[in-house]
Amino acid sequence: EVQLVESGGGLVKPGGSLKLSCAASGFTFTSYTMNWVRQAPGKGLEWVSSVSPSSGDIYYADSVKGRFTISRDNAKNSLFLQMNSLSADDTALYYCVRVGATRDYFEYWGQGTLVTVSS
Amino acid sequence: EIVLTQSPATLSLSPGERATLSCRASQSVRSSLAWYQHKPGQAPRLLIYEASNRAAGIPARFSGSGSGPDFTLTISSLEPEDFAVYYCQHRTNWPPMYTFGQGTKLEI
Repeated sequence: EVQLVESGGGLVKPGGSLKLSCAASGFTFTSYTMNWVRQAPGKGLEWVSSVSPSSGDIYYADSVKGRFTISRDNAKNSLFLQMNSLSADDTALYYCVRVGATRDYFEYWGQGTLVTVSS
Repeated sequence: EIVLTQSPATLSLSPGERATLSCRASQSVRSSLAWYQHKPGQAPRLLIYEASNRAAGIPARFSGSGSGPDFTLTISSLEPEDFAVYYCQHRTNWPPMYTFGQGTKLEI
């Protein structure tokens, strides 16, 4: 069974930093592109970042480019998101997501970890 | 940048009725479109990929159709558990990014 378990969310002040983690199990982690997708309160889904299996291809949404860094540790089946210079606009539930057989869609989602940016 | 526009924003129906949800892309996206169901407090759930392929474990009452700019998610006969928010999604090759529609809330 595929499992994606996020952690690391919490309350942080504007301008602060936070690092999210995602522990993956139940599949061959090194075979799949992994992503972070977020949902702000009362809003829709927004893709945040993507990393290929070898970390050779990394992409970001314009809204987080230059502030967030995605990474993965294939030896530990783990995905990370380092978030710097946080603002209230980054308040959201952050999901760890695995693509499907192609990179075109998101097949498995974690339950999410909540990030709240507030003074 | 491709924009996905979903309609209607809210759809009010009763159990047993047929639901038709639309997603229109600002330019042709071939058949590269997925649909998700999202209920409060739960992770989003993949329903349809590549416009018309049901994901594993998805009931046959869910079907997807369309290509190019216009796509449809149909729920043939609504069950109480189907009331949720539905999103369409596309991945562009360049710039490499994923785009979601703004969602359609299906309410009783």
